Amino acid sequence: QKEVEQDPGPLSVPEGAIVSLNCTYSNSAFQYFMWYRQYSRKGPELLMYTYSSGNKEDGRFTAQVDKSSKYISLFIRDSQPSDSATYLCAMSADGDMRFGAGTRLTVKP
Amino acid sequence: KAGVTQTPRYLIKTRGQQVTLSCSPISGHRSVSWYQQTPGQGLQFLFEYFSETQRNKGNFPGRFSGRQFSNSRSEMNVSTLELGDSALYLCASSSPMRATVVSEQYFGPGTRLTVT
Repeated sequence: QKEVEQDPGPLSVPEGAIVSLNCTYSNSAFQYFMWYRQYSRKGPELLMYTYSSGNKEDGRFTAQVDKSSKYISLFIRDSQPSDSATYLCAMSADGDMRFGAGTRLTVKP
Repeated sequence: KAGVTQTPRYLIKTRGQQVTLSCSPISGHRSVSWYQQTPGQGLQFLFEYFSETQRNKGNFPGRFSGRQFSNSRSEMNVSTLELGDSALYLCASSSPMRATVVSEQYFGPGTRLTVT
């Protein structure tokens, strides 16, 4: 079993839809949780960074962490075609970083 | 501010050869991390350097090594290349105020290595 599980998709939604991306993990030592967006032929770009359980909102993006369930989510409201990319969850503890496999999202106009 | 730069962007090597990849972090960033990205394994952490010292290391064989120079630029070396080393190698730098690998990282565009 991988330490971080993420459904690779692909996920296709119409413009304006709410998108939910999720990851589960097994290592309870993980303390920091991140979401990255990666466009084709580019490096990952940090979207959200959280430390504790709860919600964090930034514009159309909301990151949710539930440490008791070892489950994190990223919600995208009013999705746009420009949101089409691969979304990677990442988590770390004591300097050790783990990434999910990435979910490929397509938002259709 | 200029972003993270990596050279070369593309590289083709033969099995058994060695390769050196270069990364220039964002100005002022002292932490540089290296990752390998493949379709099958995803993004995997190789190692992290801070102030010329390797501070963290992932689970990769000793053929993978790196170093960091006094200007924070970093190089990664892979010796005795294998077909399975074909991947996108990404470098990421971090702000000096949050000098751990868990901090917000800024990635370069990557070097795509193909081993034939």
